[in-house]
Amino acid sequence: NAGVTQTPKFQVLKTGQSMTLQCAQDMNHEYMSWYRQDPGMGLRLIHYSVGAGITDQGEVPNGYNVSRSTTEDFPLRLLSAAPSQTSVYFCASSLTRATEAFFGQGTRLTVV
Amino acid sequence: KQEVTQIPAALSVPEGENLVLNCSFTDSAIYNLQWFRQDPGKGLTSLLLIQSSQREQTSGRLNASLDKSSGRSTLYIAASQPGDSATYLCAGQGSNYKLTFGKGTLLTVNP
Repeated sequence: NAGVTQTPKFQVLKTGQSMTLQCAQDMNHEYMSWYRQDPGMGLRLIHYSVGAGITDQGEVPNGYNVSRSTTEDFPLRLLSAAPSQTSVYFCASSLTRATEAFFGQGTRLTVV
Repeated sequence: KQEVTQIPAALSVPEGENLVLNCSFTDSAIYNLQWFRQDPGKGLTSLLLIQSSQREQTSGRLNASLDKSSGRSTLYIAASQPGDSATYLCAGQGSNYKLTFGKGTLLTVNP
């Protein structure tokens, strides 16, 4: 049982480049979400999804897009990377919106 | 807007000591409260989840309590061990079902 899998683990981008952070879970969880973790700021919610085909914005959505075509996958797209998006990104899933959350190991992104 | 505060920001204790980590939240209409552990460079591991209707949850040497009226939760760690060294995060889930995290307490248990 793999849980929540994020790829890649590390990534360096140049300003203006685009990329997709992958997140997959094998627990048949309905609820998935993306957070970024910055020193002194804690974890902040970027986007979330309550099921396939349904997504919504979190606290810091600007510069990011998401889609949820299947229950298992919830990719996060950076449209035009900026240095302010340098951060550690975590994907999480839970059976419902109000049950225990499981986190991936994170993607450390640096934008130069 | 829910705000979650964790005190202290860092704590260093000798091995074997019992300790308490504190978490406070501003919105008493909390749906549940979760405690997580994060090791350096790793993801978050769920430790305990307390539903709003519950007062406490226990798992091994860990006990978490929830007092909605005062906006507080505590994580009690009994007989601490060096392997308990990590950052501990609490997160409140409000009526909008979104998790709001505190900034964490960095715990160091010295052998």
